[in-house]
Amino acid sequence: KAGVTQTPRYLIKTRGQQVTLSCSPISGHRSVSWYQQTPGQGLQFLFEYFSETQRNKGNFPGRFSGRQFSNSRSEMNVSTLELGDSALYLCASSLETLVNTGELFFGEGSRLTVL
Amino acid sequence: GENVEQHPSTLSVQEGDSAVIKCTYSDSASNYFPWYKQELGKGPQLIIDIRSNVGEKKDQRIAVTLNKTAKHFSLHITETQPEDSAVYFCAASSGGGADGLTFGKGTHLIIQP
Repeated sequence: KAGVTQTPRYLIKTRGQQVTLSCSPISGHRSVSWYQQTPGQGLQFLFEYFSETQRNKGNFPGRFSGRQFSNSRSEMNVSTLELGDSALYLCASSLETLVNTGELFFGEGSRLTVL
Repeated sequence: GENVEQHPSTLSVQEGDSAVIKCTYSDSASNYFPWYKQELGKGPQLIIDIRSNVGEKKDQRIAVTLNKTAKHFSLHITETQPEDSAVYFCAASSGGGADGLTFGKGTHLIIQP
């Protein structure tokens, strides 16, 4: 069974640009969550999508957005990039929603560097 | 919101010895406490979890204990092996899961040969 796939794995952007990251969940999983990982703040919850609807959202500015497609694949977008957005962005899929606290299966992440 | 504190940030133990990592949480409504292991260049992987209606859970060399009154939970690894070297994260559900998982800052476990 294929795991969670994230693309691209690495990318470099400059301040002010925007970026789109993609996540393909494990087959059959309907929940996709996104986390930002930095050395200083650790793992922080961005948002969760379930059946194409955003169910939950963390404490991030509106520059961070996402969506989920009918095949459960998800994308997240960051607009007007800032230096502080440099991080590893992790996607996790789950059979159940976070409210039902199902096990999260993480991808290997997309490492974003903002110059 | 939920706040999870994790200690220590780095732990070095001799191969074969035991390792203990401790976490405290703030939201008494949290009811799910997973532990994740992250190896270099990889995403976190669930190694064990516990729910608030259980005080202890064990899986081979790994065990987790939960004290709801004190709002702390711990990971115990016995007979440590080189492949146990990694960063370990504790987490707690918050807002009944509606706020996602809140993670501790992580513990870098180093197994000395």
